[in-house]
Order: sequence, then structure tokens, then C-alpha cells
Amino acid sequence: EVQLVQSGAEVKKPGESLKISCKSSGYSFTNYWIGWVRQMPGKGLEWMGLIYPGDSDTRYSPSFQGQVTISVDKSISTAYLQWSSLRASDSAMYYCTRQDLRAWGQGTLVTVSS
Amino acid sequence: DIVMTQSPESLAVSLGERATINCKSSQSVLYSSNSKSYLIWYQQKPGQPPKMLINWASTRESGVPDRFSGSGSGTDFTLTISSLQAEDVALYFCQQYYDIPYTFGQGTKVEIK
Repeated sequence: EVQLVQSGAEVKKPGESLKISCKSSGYSFTNYWIGWVRQMPGKGLEWMGLIYPGDSDTRYSPSFQGQVTISVDKSISTAYLQWSSLRASDSAMYYCTRQDLRAWGQGTLVTVSS
Repeated sequence: DIVMTQSPESLAVSLGERATINCKSSQSVLYSSNSKSYLIWYQQKPGQPPKMLINWASTRESGVPDRFSGSGSGTDFTLTISSLQAEDVALYFCQQYYDIPYTFGQGTKVEIK
């Protein structure tokens, strides 16, 4: 069974860094792109970017280019989404999803507040 | 970016009645090489990730009730729930994956009248 399991909820202060994770199982991790999607409270879905674990080829939505970094660790079948300096406006639910858009992680809630 | 415009924002329908949601893309999402429109419909319930209902604009996913159907090609698409059930109360989104960045419609909230 294909599973994407994300790391737990985070509460951070503005300016802090953060790295959340998405661990994949049940399929060949290096053969499928992994994407990240943001959903702000009570709002719609926003595509952030995606990465191909086989060679770490990464594509960002222009709206998120330079704001976040997407990476992978093939040895543990895990994709990451990270911020170097969080803002209050980064508070949202973040989902990872596999290339075929059928498998989704359960979501990681990020709260940024002073 | 391809802009996806979804309507209406919200919809209240009586149990057993039809619900129709529209989605329009700013450019065609139809690949001529395979004649497939790269358009997905999702259902999202509170506290859950999106669930794919319809792929390629009109192909129902396994396990999805046949009251859900998708139609359209190119730039104009429709999701129809033929007979609304209580468990269909949710948010519905369209998404194109024809071009990066993949983009979503704004979402439609479906409620019971």
C-alpha cells in the first residue's frame, strides 16, 4: 500500500527555521515526483513545487520560488519542505502528494506566531 | 501560469438533487498526442487531504460512487453529482496538471439545502 506519512504539527516564532518531512512507503521512491501543496486556514489549495527523488530535479511555482526549499533523502525515502525564516503568513496546512496525485500525506499544520 | 476559474463558490442542493460545478482553464489542458485533458476533480472533507474523484476530466477513480461524473475537454469542465447524498457535503476543487506549476480552482463548497 502506498503511504505518505508527514511529520507532526509545528508551532514556531517568526524568523525561526523549519523543516517538515514526508516519508514514503509502498512503492519505488525514486521513480515518482513528490509535490508540496499549501492550504491556508479556510482557503483553497496552492501548488508549491515538486521534486524528482531520482536526481533531485526540483521545480517551484513562481509564487514560492526563493521562499521555501524542497529536498529529498533517498536513503530514507523522505521528502522535505523547509523555510529559513518563517513569517506569520506561512501559517497553513502543508500536504505532500505523489506524482499521480492519488496518494497524499495527512498534512502538517504549521503555526507561526510571536 | 494556467489560471483555473471555478464556479460557483458555494452551492446548496436538496438531498437527491443534482449539483453541478464548473471549472474553466485559461488555456487548453488537452494533450493532442493522447487526446487527454490533464484535469482532476478532488473532494476534500474537513481535516482530510484532498481525495481524487475524477482524472483525465472524465475518468472516475476506483471506488468513487457513480453519482459523480466529470465532463468537458480543452478549457471547460464540469463535475456533476447526480443525486446529492449527505456524505457529499465537502469542498470540491479542480486542478490542471498539464503544465508546471500545477494550479487549482478556488474551490466550491457543497452543502445541503
